[in-house]
Amino acid sequence: QQQVKQSPQSLIVQKGGIPIINCAYENTAFDYFPWYQQFPGKGPALLIAIRPDVSEKKEGRFTISFNKSAKQFSLHIMDSQPGDSATYFCAASKGYQKVTFGTGTKLQVIP
Amino acid sequence: DSGVTQTPKHLITATGQRVTLRCSPRSGDLSVYWYQQSLDQGLQFLIQYYNGEERAKGNILERFSAQQFPDLHSELNLSSLELGDSALYFCASSPDKGTSRYTDTQYFGPGTRLTVL
Repeated sequence: QQQVKQSPQSLIVQKGGIPIINCAYENTAFDYFPWYQQFPGKGPALLIAIRPDVSEKKEGRFTISFNKSAKQFSLHIMDSQPGDSATYFCAASKGYQKVTFGTGTKLQVIP
Repeated sequence: DSGVTQTPKHLITATGQRVTLRCSPRSGDLSVYWYQQSLDQGLQFLIQYYNGEERAKGNILERFSAQQFPDLHSELNLSSLELGDSALYFCASSPDKGTSRYTDTQYFGPGTRLTVL
């Protein structure tokens, strides 16, 4: 019930491509869906987050698409750059309950 | 820089030993979270403290314990260490003022890399 399934485990795209990372959840009570970006040797940092009352949110080149009925959400990175190479974690939580993280996607953007 | 500090940055110790990891949250943040990150396990939530009291518990072993002090800094104690405890340990903090029904953003520290030999 508390799991968040993330795919793919790793992803390689060319510069300018649009990598897409998908996450699925079971607990319909989740009401907060953040994405975190982690560079090697650093802690995760919040990238973008969405609430279940909207279907899409854009911040710069990053877009979250949210499908409440399918219990899925995804991260799209437009015009990807080598500097976007990092590990991306989706997460979900309800109220003040613990945040459940996905297993992470290691993204490599090739110049 | 998230504003969350963790010490030490690296820690190397032997099996059976006990270590203490320290975390200072962002100024004003009331909640502190501890996570373990190993290569094959991703980010595992260990425990959360809110204003000095334990609020939520995750996959924390009995050999591990934590506390949050009146000045809101937190310590994670790991005892009877095993090789499998080698990992990155992250602390995160959030404002958690109790005024919003939504979860606050968590701000992660740089982590402590623990190596158990």
